[in-house]
Amino acid sequence: EAGVAQSPRYKIIEKRQSVAFWCNPISGHATLYWYQQILGQGPKLLIQFQNNGVVDDSQLPKDRFSAERLKGVDSTLKIQPAKLEDSAVYLCASIPGGTGELFFGEGSRLTVL
Amino acid sequence: SQQGEEDPQALSIQEGENATMNCSYKTSINNLQWYRQNSGRGLVHLILIRSNEREKHSGRLRVTLDTSKKSSSLLITASRAADTASYFCATNTGNQFYFGTGTSLTVIP
Repeated sequence: EAGVAQSPRYKIIEKRQSVAFWCNPISGHATLYWYQQILGQGPKLLIQFQNNGVVDDSQLPKDRFSAERLKGVDSTLKIQPAKLEDSAVYLCASIPGGTGELFFGEGSRLTVL
Repeated sequence: SQQGEEDPQALSIQEGENATMNCSYKTSINNLQWYRQNSGRGLVHLILIRSNEREKHSGRLRVTLDTSKKSSSLLITASRAADTASYFCATNTGNQFYFGTGTSLTVIP
C-alpha cells in the first residue's frame, strides 16, 4: 500500500513570496489533515478535511494560508505572502475514518529568508 | 492551547537502559496515541490506548493511561541506538488529534 505522498520535500523562498504544497493521501482515506511543525515543537493542526469539506480550520491563518481538497482526494496548501515565522515543516496526514492511527507523509520543509 | 505537555523535553540514556516519558493533556479523550519522529522524517504511529484501558504493551513498548489525572506514560525497555528519535503523544477526540510538545530521546551506543 502506497503511503501519504507530499511534495516538494524542501522549499526556500524570500519573504512575501508565495508557495504551495501538495499532498496525496492513502487511497480511500476520507479524512486529511495539514499540520505545521516548527523546529523543536509538536505538530500544530492547521486544517482538517472530511472528503472535500472543511471540518476544522480554526487555527489556519486565513489572511495568508489557504487549502483545498477539491475532489476529496489530493490537497494543496498555499501560503501567500510568506513571513519569516512560516519557516516550518508542513506535514500531511490521513486516516480512513475519524479514529485510529494517523498516517503521515515525510513533510515539506519550508525556509523563508 | 489544546496541545499536551510532555516531559522530559530531552532524555539521554545508555543502550540497554529503559526510557520513560510522560504526557499530560487537558481535555477528555477517546484514545491517546504515541508517535515517533526520526530526524527530518514524518511521524510514525507506535501504539494506541483507549480511554477505558489502563495499560497496553507492544513489543518493547509499555503505555499507561490515567484519565483521572489526564496523564500517560511511555516506557521503552532495553533501548537501542535505533530508538533515538523524538516521541510525541497525541490525544484523539472525535476525529481531531492534538499533539504534545515532544520528548527528544538519545540512546548512546
